Amino acid sequence: TQLLEQSPQFLSIQEGENLTVYCNSSSVFSSLQWYRQEPGEGPVLLVTVVTGGEVKKLKRLTFQFGDARKDSSLHITAAQPGDTGLYLCAGVDNSGGYQKVTFGIGTKLQVIP
Amino acid sequence: NAGVTQTPKFRILKIGQSMTLQCTQDMNHNYMYWYRQDPGMGLKLIYYSVGAGITDKGEVPNGYNVSRSTTEDFPLRLELAAPSQTSVYFCASSKRDSLYEQYFGPGTRLTVT
Repeated sequence: TQLLEQSPQFLSIQEGENLTVYCNSSSVFSSLQWYRQEPGEGPVLLVTVVTGGEVKKLKRLTFQFGDARKDSSLHITAAQPGDTGLYLCAGVDNSGGYQKVTFGIGTKLQVIP
Repeated sequence: NAGVTQTPKFRILKIGQSMTLQCTQDMNHNYMYWYRQDPGMGLKLIYYSVGAGITDKGEVPNGYNVSRSTTEDFPLRLELAAPSQTSVYFCASSKRDSLYEQYFGPGTRLTVT
């Protein structure tokens, strides 16, 4: 069974602070996705990282895929209240000839104005 | 494009009742999924489909059934509802490529009492 552990589970910070959330596994993934979910809505895809060591930037958000493709991190610079939400990582495994997507339980972020 | 739409938004069922959760996508995606999301448990895959006429069980299929007669529609059937099926249900779709980036609907909040 593939497991994705996300940490921290909860994070409450002041507007303007920086933060990093982590997504870790003992399994290797073909790619890894990050989603943001706001209350009462479905998750929305932010980014997909595919290559070990890959870094992608989306405005103030920086995503990194670990060299061994087992872990990932999301760094937010100068957090804003609009960044509040549940951040989910999802690992994709194509190795078995079919796709398997495993979701972590998420990091709930609150940015206080 | 409307993306992925789900109906109803909310529903309360009595134990033993049945209902169908509707899901439609207008992106011509081959893959469709049903998840349930419970607090602190993340997204659990119930059933998925790789194309019209083809469905397969996910991680937590017991108590549910699906069908996929068209590319656009993927209804989820609950027979003999139980309190353990109280949850938020999300439908998602993705293209048939190696990334499996998922587009989620807004969810259905179901309470079984």
